[in-house]
Amino acid sequence: DGGITQSPKYLFRKEGQNVTLSCEQNLNHDAMYWYRQDPGQGLRLIYYSQIVNDFQKGDIAEGYSVSREKKESFPLTVTSAQKNPTAFYLCASRDRGLRELFFGEGSRLTVL
Amino acid sequence: AQSVTQLGSHVSVSEGALVLLRCNYSSSVPPYLFWYVQYPNQGLQLLLKYTSAATLVKGINGFEAEFKKSETSFHLTKPSAHMSDAAEYFCAANTNTNAGKSTFGDGTTLTVKP
Repeated sequence: DGGITQSPKYLFRKEGQNVTLSCEQNLNHDAMYWYRQDPGQGLRLIYYSQIVNDFQKGDIAEGYSVSREKKESFPLTVTSAQKNPTAFYLCASRDRGLRELFFGEGSRLTVL
Repeated sequence: AQSVTQLGSHVSVSEGALVLLRCNYSSSVPPYLFWYVQYPNQGLQLLLKYTSAATLVKGINGFEAEFKKSETSFHLTKPSAHMSDAAEYFCAANTNTNAGKSTFGDGTTLTVKP
C-alpha cells in the first residue's frame, strides 16, 4: 500500500543534540512538507519542498534544516539551535494535481 | 494572505446528537477548503474537501460540510454522533497563490458522551 512512513515514532533527546526525523513516501508525490504540532496551536509549517533538490522555509524554520536529495525522502533535522523542540512532528505530501495533503503517523520528540 | 479560524477549541455532544464544528476562512482568492480528523498520536486524514464543484460536500464517516461564500464559512456537521467520532478536527485552506501550502485552524477537540 502507498503511504508515508515517519520514523522514529518516539524520540528522546538531550539538550544540545541534533536529531534527524525520517520521512519516506511511496506515493510518487512531488511536494513534501514538515509541520510542527503543539497543543492548541494547530499545525505550523516548518519547511516544504515542491521538487527534488529544492526546498523553502515555512513559518517557523529557525532551528531546523532539511534536504531533498530523492523524491521519496524529506528528512528533518532538529538542531540544537531550536529553543523549544519538544513537539509532535508531522510529514505530509501532495500530488501535483490535487490540493489535499497525505500525512504520516507523526514523530513525537521529547527533549530531556 | 489566508487564515482559518475554528470557533470553539472543545465541543462536547451526547451520542446520537448533532455534531457541528465551525470554521471560517479569510482569503483574497477563492480557496479550496478541507476538514481533516486526527486520532490521538496519529497523523491527520482527510474527511472531505471543497473544490468549487458543489457547495455541499459529503465525506467519510457520515460527515458533511457546506461552503457559504457570503459567510466565509465551511462548517462540519454530522446528524448523529458516534463514540468513535471523538477526535480532533482541523479545518484547512489552500489557494493557488501560496505554492500549495495549506493553512490550518487551531483544531477542535470533539468529545462524545455516552
